[in-house]
Amino acid sequence: ETGVTQTPRHLVMGMTNKKSLKCEQHLGHNAMYWYKQSAKKPLELMFVYNFKEQTENNSVPSRFSPECPNSSHLFLHLHTLQPEDSALYLCASSRKGGASAGASYEQYFGPGTRLTVT
Amino acid sequence: AQKVTQAQTEISVVEKEDVTLDCVYETRDTTYYLFWYKQPPSGELVFLIRRNSFDEQNEISGRYSWNFQKSTSSFNFTITASQVVDSAVYFCALSEGGDTGKLIFGQGTTLQVKP
Repeated sequence: ETGVTQTPRHLVMGMTNKKSLKCEQHLGHNAMYWYKQSAKKPLELMFVYNFKEQTENNSVPSRFSPECPNSSHLFLHLHTLQPEDSALYLCASSRKGGASAGASYEQYFGPGTRLTVT
Repeated sequence: AQKVTQAQTEISVVEKEDVTLDCVYETRDTTYYLFWYKQPPSGELVFLIRRNSFDEQNEISGRYSWNFQKSTSSFNFTITASQVVDSAVYFCALSEGGDTGKLIFGQGTTLQVKP
């Protein structure tokens, strides 16, 4: 496997279900991200992890729970979602230059999980 | 506050035409980074270019070229001799310096190249 992979690619779940999205990066990066892409809206950053530590939570509802066990894997645990949570969920990874470097590196994206909440 | 505006929602051209996608950004930072991504129908965002705020040189990569102008806060993207495979949604994005990892995306421009 190369690049960033995401599973499943498609997911249909009811509002009472619990499911998890998985992301894995094979690029040796140490920062990982979750984005939400809804129709007619720009990409919304949800969470940022640097060296397995969460450094950004963009006011995401608690029904979305991220987990980053190591720098290569990122999960998004879902429970009691609402129909408006239906969207494409994208995972990305990047280098991290460190606080002193000041650089912002490009992010590489996975193919996304198309989530439908019924 | 940071903001990225892609005023063109949809553009349709005929193959072999040149097309320019506009991107205007707002930031108070003196150090920042600009990006372009392509999202084909498959859904995966593909990285195209990264530019920092201190490098205003235009860049050309094959049929792609980018024009960065700090004076007008613009970072426009031109595809020369467009092809059907260029059909996709194109996103411009801005990141502040300091390596926070936060990307602010524009709304995207849907480009349709007709044969």
